[in-house]
Amino acid sequence: DTGVSQDPRHKITKRGQNVTFRCDPISEHNRLYWYRQTLGQGPEFLTYFQNEAQLEKSRLLSDRFSAERPKGSFSTLEIQRTEQGDSAMYLCASTWGSLDEQFFGPGTRLTVL
Amino acid sequence: SQQGEEDPQALSIQEGENATMNCSYKTSINNLQWYRQNSGRGLVHLILIRSNEREKHSGRLRVTLDTSKKSSSLLITASRAADTASYFCATDGDQGAQKLVFGQGTRLTINP
Repeated sequence: DTGVSQDPRHKITKRGQNVTFRCDPISEHNRLYWYRQTLGQGPEFLTYFQNEAQLEKSRLLSDRFSAERPKGSFSTLEIQRTEQGDSAMYLCASTWGSLDEQFFGPGTRLTVL
Repeated sequence: SQQGEEDPQALSIQEGENATMNCSYKTSINNLQWYRQNSGRGLVHLILIRSNEREKHSGRLRVTLDTSKKSSSLLITASRAADTASYFCATDGDQGAQKLVFGQGTRLTINP
């Protein structure tokens, strides 16, 4: 257990539905990252926050994706109008102000039917 | 798109043998990290090597870095069944970039 938690761990939804995932980072970490991982691939960067500010978004993050980190604590990732191609593991990681060791949560596995 | 490529994509060895995985990357880096992922779980940080270092050890792990060849290797000595996992290298991409870029990983299986 790294101290980063994610909820839910698994989500099955029908195409077209909206889903929201939550990440609780290690409390003293000011940076929070979201990654997406498909089967057999490494994690791909989606977006990151420094405190409450969203500082970078990947081109992978279409208009259907939105992320927030109110008050610089937990973060949510919402996917609207889900598509089958959104099926993946969504990973959250946190760190203190640098690109040294990142602490990953267990991930949320999304299946879109 | 992935920054790096790991080689081999899959490796199967007997318990007690050494396992070597390689990683190549494309851009200049500040550091390179190795992570382990057990099936269906999150990633766990193993070791970080900075661009001005050539070799680093941590327990049974040995990492090398050759910035001229843009490559790194991870050696696990005296492998154990619990080492069965996927191993990923990650770089900080272009210098100044504030995100990690992962390779595709090596799936390591240790046979008892």
